[in-house]
Amino acid sequence: KAGVTQTPRYLIKTRGQQVTLSCSPISGHRSVSWYQQTPGQGLQFLFEYFSETQRNKGNFPGRFSGRQFSNSRSEMNVSTLELGDSALYLCASGRQGASYGYTFGSGTRLTVV
Amino acid sequence: LAKTTQPISMDSYEGQEVNITCSHNNIATNDYITWYQQFPSQGPRFIIQGYKTKVTNEVASLFIPADRKSSTLSLPRVSLSDTAVYYCLVGASPTDTGRRALTFGSGTRLQVQP
Repeated sequence: KAGVTQTPRYLIKTRGQQVTLSCSPISGHRSVSWYQQTPGQGLQFLFEYFSETQRNKGNFPGRFSGRQFSNSRSEMNVSTLELGDSALYLCASGRQGASYGYTFGSGTRLTVV
Repeated sequence: LAKTTQPISMDSYEGQEVNITCSHNNIATNDYITWYQQFPSQGPRFIIQGYKTKVTNEVASLFIPADRKSSTLSLPRVSLSDTAVYYCLVGASPTDTGRRALTFGSGTRLQVQP
């Protein structure tokens, strides 16, 4: 079965711009989470959506936002990009009640110049 | 969420068994222990999850002592392709409807040499 699909795979943006990243979860998975990974901070939780509702939010500024659609696809938006936003952004999908953990996508590599 | 402590790095040779221990002294009663593997520029991949005693799948074994304050991931006969970062996580309970944030520590960088 298809895995978690993240688009685009790579992205280069300029400081001050905004960016939207997309995540398509595994069919049947209603939970979608977003993570930021940087060499300095490691993997950090951004937020999690379930049935179009944000259930959890990490400690990130309001420039980071997200949403989930009725088909469980999710988007993450970062406004007013800063150099420090350069990172690998990972999306994970999961099925409530599952005992096999979350499935991560390959991520979107965002570079802010 | 319970904090985890793992060795920063480990070295091994092909064919050897590798055991990575994770310490989680503040684990809660409902917490599960989950291990993920991550290769460079890829998302983490679920390896194994357990609550107590021993869990085994086709990839690894997970040993959890009775007090659950630590756990050990065992990789039998590693190969070069097992070179990766391994993360121990606590708290991702499958039936927990409220907490869905995975807290990753620094992980253990395993280097397998020929």
